[in-house]
Amino acid sequence: EAGVVQSPRYKIIEKKQPVAFWCNPISGHNTLYWYLQNLGQGPELLIRYENEEAVDDSQLPKDRFSAERLKGVDSTLKIQPAELGDSAVYLCASSRAAGVPNEQFFGPGTRLTVL
Amino acid sequence: AQSVTQLGSHVSVSEGALVLLRCNYSSSVPPYLFWYVQYPNQGLQLLLKYTTGATLVKGINGFEAEFKKSETSFHLTKPSAHMSDAAEYFCAVSDQGTYKYIFGTGTRLKVLA
Repeated sequence: EAGVVQSPRYKIIEKKQPVAFWCNPISGHNTLYWYLQNLGQGPELLIRYENEEAVDDSQLPKDRFSAERLKGVDSTLKIQPAELGDSAVYLCASSRAAGVPNEQFFGPGTRLTVL
Repeated sequence: AQSVTQLGSHVSVSEGALVLLRCNYSSSVPPYLFWYVQYPNQGLQLLLKYTTGATLVKGINGFEAEFKKSETSFHLTKPSAHMSDAAEYFCAVSDQGTYKYIFGTGTRLKVLA
């Protein structure tokens, strides 16, 4: 079974530029999560999708961050414009919708550096 | 709000020695509890989890953890450390009935030869 796939793995951009991260969850996993992991910290949830619906986006800074999950499979997280403080690792995770608690499977993350 | 505390951001043990990584949570209602491991440049991998039932939980790679309600703790142990155990370990909690994980700040384990 293929794991959660994320791309790119690394991204370096200048501040004020836009950036996008892509995630392909494990096949059959209806729930998808985007997390932010700052250096030396644990992951923090940004947004959770159930199929194509964002059911929890309370921690997503909506002034500059956006996300979509068209067709309830792949997802894209976008930052526009990026700020220096956005430098972090962005993790995508997925889980089956049924069963509580459901194990979350994590991708390798995208390490963003904003210069 | 639920919170998780991992005592010791860095822990060093000798190869073959006992590994003990500490995790305490704040909720008065027992949550679901998890330990994840993160190797460099990789995503998080589930080691073990506690939901209900037996309070001593066995996971992968020889790790186990014990849920102690009276101490609001879920410490991770391994009897004998191996060099390959060097990684960062995260404790996480999820309130029953929610899917939201709250992660601790992590403990980086170093194994000395």
